Order: sequence, then C-alpha cells, then structure tokens
Amino acid sequence: GQSLEQPSEVTAVEGAIVQINCTYQTSGFYGLSWYQQHDGGAPTFLSYNALDGLEETGRFSSFLSRSDSYGYLLLQELQMKDSASYFCAVLNQGGKLIFGQGTELSVKP
Amino acid sequence: NAGVTQTPKFQVLKTGQSMTLQCAQDMNHEYMSWYRQDPGMGLRLIHYSVGAGITDQGEVPNGYNVSRSTTEDFPLRLLSAAPSQTSVYFCASRPRSVADTQYFGPGTRLTVL
Repeated sequence: GQSLEQPSEVTAVEGAIVQINCTYQTSGFYGLSWYQQHDGGAPTFLSYNALDGLEETGRFSSFLSRSDSYGYLLLQELQMKDSASYFCAVLNQGGKLIFGQGTELSVKP
Repeated sequence: NAGVTQTPKFQVLKTGQSMTLQCAQDMNHEYMSWYRQDPGMGLRLIHYSVGAGITDQGEVPNGYNVSRSTTEDFPLRLLSAAPSQTSVYFCASRPRSVADTQYFGPGTRLTVL
C-alpha cells in the first residue's frame, strides 16, 4: 500500500517563512510533487523532486530525502494570497499520482 | 488550447441513477486520471489511463467505470449512484515524457440524494 502524512493545518503571518512536511510510504517511488489548491478551485502544480536535494522556484522551494521517505515545501515571504491547501503527492510505478490529505495554510496579516 | 475540460460543472442525481462525467484534453497527453475530493480531504485516485485502450484502477474504483477509446477523452461512468458518491470530481492529464506536472480540469460537483 501507500500512505502520505502531512499536517492538517499551519498558520503563519505575512512575510514569514513556513515549512510543510510530508512523509510517505510507497512502493516503486519515482518522485514527490507539491500542488496548491485555493477554495473551490482545481489543484495547480508547484514543484517536483525526483532526486535528493532542494529545488527552488521563486518564493517556493521543495526538498526531498529518498532515504528518509521525507520531503517538505518551503514558502518564503508569505503573502495573503498563499492562503490555500497544499498537497504532497507521490508518483509511483505505472504513473499513479497519489495525494496526501493536504495542509491548510492560513496567512494572517 | 483549452487544456482539460470537464462537463457538467454541477449535477444532482437521485440514488440509483446513472450518469457519465465527461473529460477531454487537447494537449495530446497520454496519461489521464480521475480523482474525487471530499470536504477537508485530499484527492483520491479512482481510475487512470496510460493511453488509449488502457485503463487501471486507482485507490477507490468501486462504483465507477472508465474507458479510453481516444487519446482526448476519458469519461467516468457511475452505473448506480449512491449518496457516498457525493463529491467533487477532478479529471487530470499529463504527458508520458514529463513525470511531474499534472494538469487538472475545473471539476464536477456531484450531489447524490
């Protein structure tokens, strides 16, 4: 089977840095993705890590440690518009993308 | 280039009725998937397809059928709707050669009474 764990809620203030962790258990692991979803909207792709290390895309960075089955999404210089749900997702054998239950991020002024 | 489109946007069914949720993409993507999302929950994979004529089950396939006769279309059929199938349904696609980005449709909000 496969499972992903991430915190259900995180709160931070505007301008701060927040880290959302994700641990996973799966067979045939290919990579770890992160998606953002605003209320009522479709998920949108943020980042993907296939190899260990840090990937940076503007204010967002994502990290993967394959040996620890662990990754995180780092959001810097938080803005109010970053308030959303964030999902980690594991890509495994056969092309299946399996999602975690999501972390609701609230950014306060 | 419309991306991934889904119809209808909203649907109300009575228990036992059948219906088909439509999904189409115009990006020539090989991979297509159906997910359901319940309030406060993540997306759970229902069925997916790696190309025309090939489909496979995801995490929660019971009560749903799919087929993939063309690259563009991937309809999801509910044969006998149940209240437990009340959910938001998202269709997604990605190219085989790109292991990361998956593009989602806008979703279909289904209520089964």
